[in-house]
Amino acid sequence: KAGVTQTPRYLIKTRGQQVTLSCSPISGHRSVSWYQQTPGQGLQFLFEYFSETQRNKGNFPGRFSGRQFSNSRSEMNVSTLELGDSALYLCASSNDPPGAGNTGELFFGEGSRLTVL
Amino acid sequence: AQSVTQLGSHVSVSEGALVLLRCNYSSSVPPYLFWYVQYPNQGLQLLLKYTSAATLVKGINGFEAEFKKSETSFHLTKPSAHMSDAAEYFCAVSDSNSGYALNFGKGTSLLVTP
Repeated sequence: KAGVTQTPRYLIKTRGQQVTLSCSPISGHRSVSWYQQTPGQGLQFLFEYFSETQRNKGNFPGRFSGRQFSNSRSEMNVSTLELGDSALYLCASSNDPPGAGNTGELFFGEGSRLTVL
Repeated sequence: AQSVTQLGSHVSVSEGALVLLRCNYSSSVPPYLFWYVQYPNQGLQLLLKYTSAATLVKGINGFEAEFKKSETSFHLTKPSAHMSDAAEYFCAVSDSNSGYALNFGKGTSLLVTP
């Protein structure tokens, strides 16, 4: 079974630009979550999608957005990039979160490393 | 609000020695607890998880953790360290109040010396 696939793995942008990152979850997984990892702030939750609906959202500005398609693939977009947006963006998929008879285990991709100059 | 504290941002052990990585959590409702490992330039891999079943949880690669509600702890241990265990380790908590989003600790970098 293929794991979570994230593209691109590395990218460089300049301040003010926008970026779109893509995530293909494990086959059969309907929930996709996004996390930002930086040396200073660590791992922080961005948002979670399930069946094309945003079900949960972290404490990030509106410049960060996402969506999920009918095949469960997900994209996240960051507009008007700032230097502080430089980070590893991790996508994770799950068959369902806890509370629905599942354990809520997340399977992570290798991440997209964004550098903003 | 829930939170996780990992004591010690860097831990160094000799090969063959006991590994002990500390994690304390806070949560106002029953938590789910996880340990993840991250190798350089890779994503996170689940080591083990506590989901209100057995309090002693066994994971992959010989790791285990014990959930102690009275101490609000979920420390990770391995009896004998191997060179390949060198990595970054993250403790995480989730619960119904957070919509089951993972709240991670700052991480502990494990160094294994020969």
